[in-house]
Amino acid sequence: DAGITQSPRHKVTETGTPVTLRCHQTENHRYMYWYRQDPGHGLRLIHYSYGVKDTDKGEVSDGYSVSRSKTEDFLLTLESATSSQTSVYFCAISGTGTYEQYFGPGTRLTVT
Amino acid sequence: AQTVTQSQPEMSVQEAETVTLSCTYDTSESDYYLFWYKQPPSRQMILVIRQEAYKQQNATENRFSVNFQKAAKSFSLKISDSQLGDAAMYFCAYCTVQGAQKLVFGQGTRLTINP
Repeated sequence: DAGITQSPRHKVTETGTPVTLRCHQTENHRYMYWYRQDPGHGLRLIHYSYGVKDTDKGEVSDGYSVSRSKTEDFLLTLESATSSQTSVYFCAISGTGTYEQYFGPGTRLTVT
Repeated sequence: AQTVTQSQPEMSVQEAETVTLSCTYDTSESDYYLFWYKQPPSRQMILVIRQEAYKQQNATENRFSVNFQKAAKSFSLKISDSQLGDAAMYFCAYCTVQGAQKLVFGQGTRLTINP
């Protein structure tokens, strides 16, 4: 299994509070991704990174920001959480030229 | 932009029988990758099989095989000798070879195995 962890695994927070999710990899892969999973939508890309300090927006980036200061860590921040951001969040990693992505265990976030 | 469609929200099959899950995609690219991922109740996303678009031969992994029809933009997954452990959500995904290797997922098919 690819060495990829996410923290926390579960979180309940209130509307309007900031939330940061962490993804950590031990594979030294270049690419890292954040997805959200909602019923009927599959997985949708929020943001991705193609190197340290190199990030870009995905399909559903509104309300989210990311940072990558080290190869192994990719942070997803909800500046002011809303109920529509209640979801399961997955981090994934991919090596250059391999194309398949390997996923972390996911974080279930509930915004009340 | 690429899109991926899984038209079967749910499927069921008897244990030990064969089932085929459908996936179609839309792209203007000639080179790309396609994947099937499995998500059991544990929520972990597991790579099942991959197909490179420039390869004519269909990929196989043990009891899992694909039927890749490039002209029709179709990529179905066949599971032979279904086992109870195959029960899961299955997602089809498209990956461009351009840029950051982003995946586009279908909506998923929930597979139930009847004992």
